[in-house]
Amino acid sequence: ELKVEQNPLFLSMQEGKNYTIYCNYSTTSDRLYWYRQDPGKSLESLFVLLSNGAVKQEGRLMASLDTKARLSTLHITAAVHDLSATYFCAVTSNSNSGYALNFGKGTSLLVTP
Amino acid sequence: KAGVTQTPRYLIKTRGQQVTLSCSPISGHRSVSWYQQTPGQGLQFLFEYFSETQRNKGNFPGRFSGRQFSNSRSEMNVSTLELGDSALYLCASSFSGSDTQYFGPGTRLTVL
Repeated sequence: ELKVEQNPLFLSMQEGKNYTIYCNYSTTSDRLYWYRQDPGKSLESLFVLLSNGAVKQEGRLMASLDTKARLSTLHITAAVHDLSATYFCAVTSNSNSGYALNFGKGTSLLVTP
Repeated sequence: KAGVTQTPRYLIKTRGQQVTLSCSPISGHRSVSWYQQTPGQGLQFLFEYFSETQRNKGNFPGRFSGRQFSNSRSEMNVSTLELGDSALYLCASSFSGSDTQYFGPGTRLTVL
């Protein structure tokens, strides 16, 4: 069974600071995703990482993937309040030619002044 | 391009009843997946449909079922509702299932 672990689960940080969220997964997978969820809202796709060493950046967020270590990181640079949300990593598994996303528990991020 | 739509957005049911939720995928997407989100268990995969066939199923009891129509729209059904079925049910669509899944707004089900 594919397991996905995120840490930390809760993160309170000041505006302007940097921090990293970690995502470990237990078995080999083709793709790793990062999603954002605002309170009461659905999931918004942020990044998809396909290969070892992949790095993607969008604004103050940068995601990277190390498939050998089965580790992805989401780095936040100079945080602003608008980044407050819950961030999920998810790894694709397939079975019987079908697919599923296996999610971590999520990291609830609060950015304070 | 319209996103994934789900109806209804909110539902209140009582134990023992059944419920049907509907999902319309992004135009051109043939894969539809369903997920349950609860505070305790997080996001859990229910099932995936592609071209009207269930390709993958998560670890949920048989009370949870689904189907997909020829236009890729999907429905999921939960029979004999239990209190623990209260959750946000999210539908996601993608072209093939292996690519990025785009999520709908969800249906919030409350079982009393």
